Amino acid sequence: DAGVIQSPRHEVTEMGQEVTLRCKPISGHNSLFWYRQTMMRGLELLIYFNNNVPIDDSGMPEDRFSAKMPNASFSTLKIQPSEPRDSAVYFCASSLGDRANQPQHFGDGTRLSIL
Amino acid sequence: AQKITQTQPGMFVQEKEAVTLDCTYDTSDPSYGLFWYKQPSSGEMIFLIYQGSYDQQNATEGRYSLNFQKARKSANLVISASQLGDSAMYFCAMTAQAGTALIFGKGTTLSVSS
Repeated sequence: DAGVIQSPRHEVTEMGQEVTLRCKPISGHNSLFWYRQTMMRGLELLIYFNNNVPIDDSGMPEDRFSAKMPNASFSTLKIQPSEPRDSAVYFCASSLGDRANQPQHFGDGTRLSIL
Repeated sequence: AQKITQTQPGMFVQEKEAVTLDCTYDTSDPSYGLFWYKQPSSGEMIFLIYQGSYDQQNATEGRYSLNFQKARKSANLVISASQLGDSAMYFCAMTAQAGTALIFGKGTTLSVSS
């Protein structure tokens, strides 16, 4: 079975450019999460969706970050304009949100470098 | 607020030995789930084991077991018979209820030598 698919795997871009990260969750999963991993802050939640509806976006750093989930099989995380401090690994994860014992399955992550 | 604490930045063990990675948690919710994930140097996050707050028995998955002590709010991961491939970063995480986000600890780096 296909796992969570993220693209691109690596992104290098210059400060000020728009960056779009993409995620395809596991089919049938109704919860989708975006996390960011940095050396300084570890793994932290940015936003999550249940049944395509954003539930908690309190982790989104500022207005430069936005996330959408137009349907059950696709989500995007957009940064506009990007800044060097946005450099991190961004993970998308999905789970069966109605069962507590179901783990979140992570994609391979997008390693983002803002120059 | 929920919190996960992993106090061991690094652990070193020899092949075939058992190792315990510590995790303590803090929450006021009576219902919660505890997870362990492995992150090898390649970067992916791999789910290892789950323990629910109401589970009576400690969870086991192959060489992994979770030593759950509810009164002490600890959920230590035990890896039996360590292998070189176990060398990785290990994260303890929790969630208050189904479909909500994970709160992660800072992680413990495990190094297994031959």
